[in-house]
Amino acid sequence: DIQMTQSPSSLSASVGDRVTITCRASQSISSYLNWYQQKPGKAPKLLIYVASTLQSGVPSRFSGSGSGTDFTLTISSLQPEDFATYYCQQSYITEAFGGGTKVEIK
Amino acid sequence: QVQLQESGPGLVKPSETLSLTCTVSGGSISSYYWSWIRQPPGKGLEWIGYIYSRGSTNYNPSLKSRITISLDTSKNQFSLKLSSVTAADTAVYYCARRKAEWYGGDPPGWFDPWGQGTLVTVSS
Repeated sequence: DIQMTQSPSSLSASVGDRVTITCRASQSISSYLNWYQQKPGKAPKLLIYVASTLQSGVPSRFSGSGSGTDFTLTISSLQPEDFATYYCQQSYITEAFGGGTKVEIK
Repeated sequence: QVQLQESGPGLVKPSETLSLTCTVSGGSISSYYWSWIRQPPGKGLEWIGYIYSRGSTNYNPSLKSRITISLDTSKNQFSLKLSSVTAADTAVYYCARRKAEWYGGDPPGWFDPWGQGTLVTVSS
């Protein structure tokens, strides 16, 4: 099985900050890495797929990069509506999600 | 736009079978992959499995012996059955459409959109 490790598990940031979340796979997954945002009591929402493709309707302050085993999700300027939990997901071999990163208000 | 809605009992007794249905509206179920994902209270996401519109399935190996996912194209629905449930199966269950770069076999994919989720509690 491929294990997905996200870091940090939580972070505190202020509006306007640049935020970077990392996801590491236990083996190469090519570019088959997706990112989701989940707010409390809501279903996850797709942000980025295949490592760097922005889902339609998602603000351009979100970006993704990486390939192989190391990936990042970057929020260029954190907005109030971005406080949420973020999950990565690989689909190279079956499916697996990372443990999540909670972005909290500083 | 495509919308998904889960339905089914909110309470299931231990050792019984959990049964959920996902109704797809705004588009045909006769394409794409259709998935189930769950989230125990306060925890992360766990992929359960998916079914392709042509009937092939792919299940999480850790749950495979207990899962059946099926499709009813006449009703635009797909369903999940999870047998021999325990308290560890208590979770919010989501259905989602799985899109992929190509279709047929088990290609890499991503989940969009998702249903709102339904909480299933396993308790006597």
